[in-house]
Amino acid sequence: AQSVTQLDSHVSVSEGTPVLLRCNYSSSYSPSLFWYVQHPNKGLQLLLKYTSAATLVKGINGFEAEFKKSETSFHLTKPSAHMSDAAEYFCVVSDHGGSQGNLIFGKGTKLSVKP
Amino acid sequence: DADVTQTPRNRITKTGKRIMLECSQTKGHDRMYWYRQDPGLGLRLIYYSFDVKDINKGEISDGYSVSRQAQAKFSLSLESAIPNQTALYFCATSDWGPPNSGTSGDEQFFGPGTRLTVL
Repeated sequence: AQSVTQLDSHVSVSEGTPVLLRCNYSSSYSPSLFWYVQHPNKGLQLLLKYTSAATLVKGINGFEAEFKKSETSFHLTKPSAHMSDAAEYFCVVSDHGGSQGNLIFGKGTKLSVKP
Repeated sequence: DADVTQTPRNRITKTGKRIMLECSQTKGHDRMYWYRQDPGLGLRLIYYSFDVKDINKGEISDGYSVSRQAQAKFSLSLESAIPNQTALYFCATSDWGPPNSGTSGDEQFFGPGTRLTVL
């Protein structure tokens, strides 16, 4: 069965410093992996997705993530945080097992950005 | 116009009341989903539907029911609401298909959410 673990429930950075949000996954198949972002009082927006093409995936707003099969990780990074990046981020794996296409969400990481 | 809409956006109700949350989509997707979000728990799948005649229970279906009235409409009902069903509810759609099929794959497209409070 698929699962996903977000290693930090809350990350705080200063504006202009790098962002690292950590995610580990478990999958018996070749997974699809996603990062979604939820700004306060908003819905979910796709940041980026990995679907077995390039292991380094670039997303919107300067975010990127690297798929590392040997480490079963899919960490999200951004070189320089902006105040508008403050939000909750969800790492998500696709269940290719009995329910093809269903998503399994991590518990989320809240990113705070200090001026 | 938004591709996935949810009504109402906010609802306060009392224990024991019947509540229906509605979801409509203009994306033409066959698959639709209902999730609930609780602080610190991420999103959990309640029900999903691969087409009008195919409805499946998700991880936390107890206390909920659904109706797929048409390809574009998927409703979630709470027959007798209880306080621990207070949560943010999201509808989502996808046009899942195998690789290289021209679909969006596993990506799901989310509505804006419905905040439900059960007193």
